Amino acid sequence: DQQVKQNSPSLSVQEGRISILNCDYTNSMFDYFLWYKKYPAEGPTFLISISSIKDKNEDGRFTVFLNKSAKHLSLHIVPSQPGDSAVYFCAARFGNQFYFGTGTSLTVIP
Amino acid sequence: SQTIHQWPATLVQPVGSPLSLECTVEGTSNPNLYWYRQAAGRGLQLLFYSVGIGQISSEVPQNLSASRPQDRQFILSSKKLLLSDSGFYLCAWSPSNEQFFGPGTRLTVL
Repeated sequence: DQQVKQNSPSLSVQEGRISILNCDYTNSMFDYFLWYKKYPAEGPTFLISISSIKDKNEDGRFTVFLNKSAKHLSLHIVPSQPGDSAVYFCAARFGNQFYFGTGTSLTVIP
Repeated sequence: SQTIHQWPATLVQPVGSPLSLECTVEGTSNPNLYWYRQAAGRGLQLLFYSVGIGQISSEVPQNLSASRPQDRQFILSSKKLLLSDSGFYLCAWSPSNEQFFGPGTRLTVL
């Protein structure tokens, strides 16, 4: 049972525009949410996180929004750069375990 | 600072052969440690996690096993590899809220 879902397998965005990556979850007990960036044949790199008691966290070009009532998480990248092209995973934590979505492949077109 | 190592980086093994992948973490003590597998085109599947020496939790029934002989060492093993064991294996550690990944091992079973 997939508790964390990323329903868009791919996304293409023009350089300089906003990239919005979405994530939905089913378990209301998740207390921490994370976004990772992954290049092929490399381990995921931690990008940004948010506690379940907050609704927004910002770090440079990256902002994560959490809507607990909708059980929805999103990552905004502004402005998008070609180097942002990668697969993005969202994850949620419950206890000692982290649950990952299936990833969204972002392509930023120069 | 903390560093996580995995080896080997790539491995090609015949069906039925044994497997041993190693993961070590530097710069921390008593971390939670994790093994994930990413099959081609899929998300991250949690295989095992450990909260301490000798403590292993298994998430998915399979022909793989894990051991934690030392505080900062986590080993993934198999007595007889299957074709379906091919994939990208990732070790991760978690100090608290976040989780950080190693570089991964690409395993091809022929």
